[in-house]
Amino acid sequence: GDSVTQMEGPVTLSEEAFLTINCTYTATGYPSLFWYVQYPGEGLQLLLKATKADDKGSNKGFEATYRKETTSFHLEKGSVQVSDSAVYFCALSAGTGANNLFFGTGTRLTVIP
Amino acid sequence: NAGVTQTPKFRILKIGQSMTLQCAQDMNHNYMYWYRQDPGMGLKLIYYSVGAGITDKGEVPNGYNVSRSTTEDFPLRLELAAPSQTSVYFCASSYSNTPDYNEQFFGPGTRLTVL
Repeated sequence: GDSVTQMEGPVTLSEEAFLTINCTYTATGYPSLFWYVQYPGEGLQLLLKATKADDKGSNKGFEATYRKETTSFHLEKGSVQVSDSAVYFCALSAGTGANNLFFGTGTRLTVIP
Repeated sequence: NAGVTQTPKFRILKIGQSMTLQCAQDMNHNYMYWYRQDPGMGLKLIYYSVGAGITDKGEVPNGYNVSRSTTEDFPLRLELAAPSQTSVYFCASSYSNTPDYNEQFFGPGTRLTVL
């Protein structure tokens, strides 16, 4: 079945460090890929998305490129800030059924000053 | 726009008690969802709805019930609370479920503890 696997955390970085959170997927069709972010005490919110191979999603300095050849959608940011501390979820959507959005287990990022 | 709202924010239940978690959205979305989030486990879909009057089971529906009498509201009912239902519950909605446009909007969550 369709699924995503993302790197386990937690991840702790110093401010201004480079961030990579790995995400790989398994899908039978041509999924759309998403990164959601959950700030402390809040619900998830969409960070960025890509709907076809080689697309790059970007938002708030974060980027992720849809790589069909490696079935990956790694999240990157060149210089993290304390305010980026959150849990990041990779997700994919495929197929036509209503139940078609699948989340990874989440990666907790803590950025220290 | 308030987006997706959930009440209550926190609740402690005794084993065997019942309660309803409320969810409402003001974005006129047809699709609504209930998830539970357990520590380190990501999100698991409990129930979903594709429109008023239509609901279906997700991955973990046992112990829960839902109804969808209006487009705006999608309450989740726990009939006989068990410790295994201790979790954070999120309601979400979306305009479309086609993969290209499947952005779900989440409420702030309800933290439920069953003792």
